[in-house]
Amino acid sequence: NAGVTQTPKFRVLKTGQSMTLLCAQDMNHEYMYWYRQDPGMGLRLIHYSVGEGTTAKGEVPDGYNVSRLKKQNFLLGLESAAPSQTSVYFCASKWGNQPQHFGDGTRLSIL
Amino acid sequence: AQTVTQSQPEMSVQEAETVTLSCTYDTSENNYYLFWYKQPPSRQMILVIRQEAYKQQNATENRFSVNFQKAAKSFSLKISDSQLGDTAMYFCAFIAYNNNDMRFGAGTRLTVKP
Repeated sequence: NAGVTQTPKFRVLKTGQSMTLLCAQDMNHEYMYWYRQDPGMGLRLIHYSVGEGTTAKGEVPDGYNVSRLKKQNFLLGLESAAPSQTSVYFCASKWGNQPQHFGDGTRLSIL
Repeated sequence: AQTVTQSQPEMSVQEAETVTLSCTYDTSENNYYLFWYKQPPSRQMILVIRQEAYKQQNATENRFSVNFQKAAKSFSLKISDSQLGDTAMYFCAFIAYNNNDMRFGAGTRLTVKP
């Protein structure tokens, strides 16, 4: 049982480049989330999805887009990367009011 | 908006002793969940314990227990018989019922010393 898998685990980008982070869960969870974690701060919610084909903004959505074309996958896109988006990104999923299960994170550096 | 405050950036404890990590939160909601997550150097986010606001009884999970004071909006974590493997960042988190915006504190870095 893989749980929540994030791809890639580490990436370096140049300013202005684009990329997509993939989150996959095999627990048939309805809800999926993308967070970012910056030094000295807790996780902050970027976007989330309550089901296939639906997405919504979280606390810090600017500069990111997401898609949930399949129930098991939640993609986070950066169209034009900026140094301020250097962070560790976490994906999570859950069922109902159960606790969220987290992936192992993706460290993204933008030069 | 809900906010979560962890006032202790760093703490240390001797192995086998007890330590308490503090967390306060601000909300106008009556129904919500509170969590403590552990983040070791491996970067994983591991759920330690969960408390439902409507339950007066404090949650416990083996060596981990909480002191939930709803009126004071306080949610502290007590770790008994500390072990070297407890060394990690600990995050307090809040989420209202039927809400998807979970708010985290800034974390407390706990070091267990041999």
